[in-house]
Amino acid sequence: KAGVTQTPRYLIKTRGQQVTLSCSPISGHRSVSWYQQTPGQGLQFLFEYFSETQRNKGNFPGRFSGRQFSNSRSEMNVSTLELGDSALYLCASSLSLAPTNTGELFFGEGSRLTVL
Amino acid sequence: AQSVTQPDIHITVSEGASLELRCNYSYGATPYLFWYVQSPGQGLQLLLKYFSGDTLVQGIKGFEAEFKRSQSSFNLRKPSVHWSDAAEYFCAVGGTGGSYIPTFGRGTSLIVHP
Repeated sequence: KAGVTQTPRYLIKTRGQQVTLSCSPISGHRSVSWYQQTPGQGLQFLFEYFSETQRNKGNFPGRFSGRQFSNSRSEMNVSTLELGDSALYLCASSLSLAPTNTGELFFGEGSRLTVL
Repeated sequence: AQSVTQPDIHITVSEGASLELRCNYSYGATPYLFWYVQSPGQGLQLLLKYFSGDTLVQGIKGFEAEFKRSQSSFNLRKPSVHWSDAAEYFCAVGGTGGSYIPTFGRGTSLIVHP
């Protein structure tokens, strides 16, 4: 079974630009979560999508947005990039089927964003 | 609110030595607990998980962890460390209530000396 696939793996942008990152979850997984990882802040939860609906949201500004498509693939977008947005963005998928949902996540390798 | 504390930012061990990484959690009910490992430039990989039952759980790569409810701890152990174990280790707590979104600790960086 293929794992979680994130594209692109690396990208460089300049301040003020916007970026779109893509995530394809494991087949059959309906939940996709996004995390931002930086050396200073660790793993910060951005948002979670389930069946094309944002189910949970972390404490990030509105410049960070996402969506999920009917095939469970997800994208996240960051507009008006700032230097502080430089980070590894990780996508994770899970089955997320209540009541047996346990929060176990399967991660992609991440998209490394550098903002200059 | 749930939280996780990994008190050690860095741990240095010699190859072949034993390892214990500490994790303390805060959660109002029975937690689901996880340990993940992240190699440089990679995503996180699940090492092991605790949902219920036997408090000593076995994981991949020779790792094990013990759930101690009285101490709110879920420490990760390995009897003999290999150089390839050098990585970042994350403890996480989740649960059945609310959003199911697990909370991660800040991570412990493991350095292995030859």
